[in-house]
Amino acid sequence: SQQGEEDPQALSIQEGENATMNCSYKTSINNLQWYRQNSGRGLVHLILIRSNEREKHSGRLRVTLDTSKKSSSLLITASRAADTASYFCATFHYDKVIFGPGTSLSVIP
Amino acid sequence: DVKVTQSSRYLVKRTGEKVFLECVQDMDHENMFWYRQDPGLGLRLIYFSYDVKMKEKGDIPEGYSVSREKKERFSLILESASTNQTSMYLCASSTGTSGHNEQFFGPGTRLTVL
Repeated sequence: SQQGEEDPQALSIQEGENATMNCSYKTSINNLQWYRQNSGRGLVHLILIRSNEREKHSGRLRVTLDTSKKSSSLLITASRAADTASYFCATFHYDKVIFGPGTSLSVIP
Repeated sequence: DVKVTQSSRYLVKRTGEKVFLECVQDMDHENMFWYRQDPGLGLRLIYFSYDVKMKEKGDIPEGYSVSREKKERFSLILESASTNQTSMYLCASSTGTSGHNEQFFGPGTRLTVL
């Protein structure tokens, strides 16, 4: 399997609910980043968490990083229809950057 | 705001043609990247560049080359397009010397090779 694999592949929730996506990776990292992609568009950076950090917040986003388990999670609280998108984690280690295949999130109004 | 632009949103080419995909960023970023995105595979790095005239191979450079003659412009070249190069191509840029910072993406070019 690939480095930076997201889980689940697809997620459908009601507006107002929380959405949690997970990312697993295999090798050491300098940092891990989460990106969002609206249908057919480029990616937009959401948040960066460094290897020595355990948790980070940005608005309705909460990211955790567990380097012992080589995993990260992205929590979106109080989801909105506008959060419907694909979410990717990306791991960075020296000159290597690896994106996972993404989680497709649908938020139903 | 950082802006990364790509020369075309949609492109249709024939097998064997030479294809140029252009990417321009306006924030004086040192680092530029070319990815291709395919369903179920995420983004895969083709080439990247940390400086003018510099280029480094990513994970899937075969069949591609790049050119960075000016800091703001990074071109991806398909020397002889093949049907398996039909994909979404995304350009990105970032600042810093390590390439580890936030990447800013262009809107993508959806290339179809017939």
